[in-house]
Amino acid sequence: DQQVKQNSPSLSVQEGRISILNCDYTNSMFDYFLWYKKYPAEGPTFLISISSIKDKNEDGRFTVFLNKSAKHLSLHIVPSQPGDSAVYFCAASGWGNFNKFYFGSGTKLNVKP
Amino acid sequence: NAGVTQTPKFRILKIGQSMTLQCAQDMNHNYMYWYRQDPGMGLKLIYYSVGAGITDKGEVPNGYNVSRSTTEDFPLRLELAAPSQTSVYFCASSSPGQGNGYTFGSGTRLTVV
Repeated sequence: DQQVKQNSPSLSVQEGRISILNCDYTNSMFDYFLWYKKYPAEGPTFLISISSIKDKNEDGRFTVFLNKSAKHLSLHIVPSQPGDSAVYFCAASGWGNFNKFYFGSGTKLNVKP
Repeated sequence: NAGVTQTPKFRILKIGQSMTLQCAQDMNHNYMYWYRQDPGMGLKLIYYSVGAGITDKGEVPNGYNVSRSTTEDFPLRLELAAPSQTSVYFCASSSPGQGNGYTFGSGTRLTVV
């Protein structure tokens, strides 16, 4: 039973446009969410996080939005650049569980020049 | 600063063989994790450790064993390898504190034939 779902396996956008990656979760005890970026043959790297006490967190071109009532979060990348082409994973964790995260299946983003 | 180092990067095993995947971190992180990633799936937690001498099962522990004799090292042992264990294995570490992101290793691609 997947507790974190990314229903879009892939996404293709034009350079300079907005990329929106979506993530849904089922466990209402999750209260911290992270996005990771992964290039081929490398481990995932941390991108941005959001706590359940917020509904938005911004870091440069990357913004994460959290809708707790819908159990949905999204990552916006504006403007998208070819170097953003990678697989993006969302991950969720609950308080007090030794920082164990549940991961979605990932969305492969392709930014076309 | 090396971060998290995994060895080997690639390995082919025959059914029934055993092997140990090595993981070492130099960031003095208390928490360490082993995940596996199957094609089209998210990362699944195999085992985790919150400190030397303390380990616990994750979502998919069957067929694996771990030990944590030092803060730095967290090896994963596969006994009696099966084709279902063909996967990419990632080791990660983090410091305590809710929501601290992981530092991942670059992964070990294991094929069991």
